[in-house]
Amino acid sequence: GEDVEQSLFLSVREGDSSVINCTYTDSSSTYLYWYKQEPGAGLQLLTYIFSNMDMKQDQRLTVLLNKKDKHLSLRIADTQTGDSAIYFCAETYSSASKIIFGSGTRLSIRP
Amino acid sequence: GAVVSQHPSRVICKSGTSVKIECRSLDFQATTMFWYRQFPKQSLMLMATSNEGSKATYEQGVEKDKFLINHASLTLSTLTVTSAHPEDSSFYICSALPRVADTDTQYFGPGTRLTVL
Repeated sequence: GEDVEQSLFLSVREGDSSVINCTYTDSSSTYLYWYKQEPGAGLQLLTYIFSNMDMKQDQRLTVLLNKKDKHLSLRIADTQTGDSAIYFCAETYSSASKIIFGSGTRLSIRP
Repeated sequence: GAVVSQHPSRVICKSGTSVKIECRSLDFQATTMFWYRQFPKQSLMLMATSNEGSKATYEQGVEKDKFLINHASLTLSTLTVTSAHPEDSSFYICSALPRVADTDTQYFGPGTRLTVL
């Protein structure tokens, strides 16, 4: 069945790059998303990538997709304290389909 | 653009009462809205898919008589938790899919935290 997996925690030093990894099982996934959730808040769409793309960059965010290995990563350059949050990887076959979320990776920033 | 609101943001109720949560797309029309539930420190689980003017489609294990969904207009979907019990306490998040979209993206509301005493 459909499954999305992430590591639960990541701790990085302020100013360093953060790399959050995700694996998924559904090879028919068309859209792959990264969402950010701050404490007590809803989801903020950070970025998304189509399955026919390998990489997408948006300011400090870089998404890499290895479709063969079903591996998705999110790199945050120059990580700041405001980046502390839970990051969810998610995938879907189409926008009208349900989104399957990973367990979320809690990113903490140390000085 | 593409803002989704939820009301209320937080609600505390007594066991046995019913609670209605609203999800509105503020600046676009949405033919499809989704309702998710998130337990503490866990991921989001889809409860149901709501299509305007038709019955909602519930995920396996979600009681449709317990969680009533109404999608009466292109900008509003409601989730009513009937006869709420403490185990229904959770964070409920909706998302909306624009009727006319140049990107296939669901937009999420800020969530509603329900606490049942």
